[in-house]
Amino acid sequence: KAGVTQTPRYLIKTRGQQVTLSCSPISGHRSVSWYQQTPGQGLQFLFEYFSETQRNKGNFPGRFSGRQFSNSRSEMNVSTLELGDSALYLCASSLDGWGYGYTFGSGTRLTVV
Amino acid sequence: ILNVEQSPQSLHVQEGDSTNFTCSFPSSNFYALHWYRWETAKSPEALFVMTLNGDEKKKGRISATLNTKEGYSYLYIKGSQPEDSATYLCASNNAGNMLTFGGGTRLMVKP
Repeated sequence: KAGVTQTPRYLIKTRGQQVTLSCSPISGHRSVSWYQQTPGQGLQFLFEYFSETQRNKGNFPGRFSGRQFSNSRSEMNVSTLELGDSALYLCASSLDGWGYGYTFGSGTRLTVV
Repeated sequence: ILNVEQSPQSLHVQEGDSTNFTCSFPSSNFYALHWYRWETAKSPEALFVMTLNGDEKKKGRISATLNTKEGYSYLYIKGSQPEDSATYLCASNNAGNMLTFGGGTRLMVKP
């Protein structure tokens, strides 16, 4: 079965711009979570969506937002990009997010210059 | 703020050696402990999800144990092979639909 698909794989943006990343979960998975990994930091939780509703949010500024569509595909948006937003952004899908395994995508590498 | 910690940060072993890593996590509001294997330029691969105190899981040469009362889990690799070289991540589900990750243990197996 198809895995979790994230697009684009790589992205270069300028400070102050905004960016939208996309994640298509495994068919049948209704939970999509987003994580950020920066150099020197572990994977940090951004937010989780289930059936188009945000159920949980990590400790990130309001510039980071997301949404989920009726087909469970999710997008995350970062507005007013800062250099520190350069990171690998991973999404993970799960049947319902509670204790089931999470399947990760390959990530989007965002570079802000 | 939950703290999930892994040790050691990195490990170099010879092919054929057996090794183990530790993950410590908050025992309060514990729901599940996840182990992932992450190779460079690939996506993290799920190894185990464990929920019950005393749980032991095995997948080939890799096994894991869980102690929810004291908040730790061990991952064991028997007879390490060069293809086992990767970063091993643990993550805890404590109340909430989110994973809190440790910093990972980077394993390098020399042929």
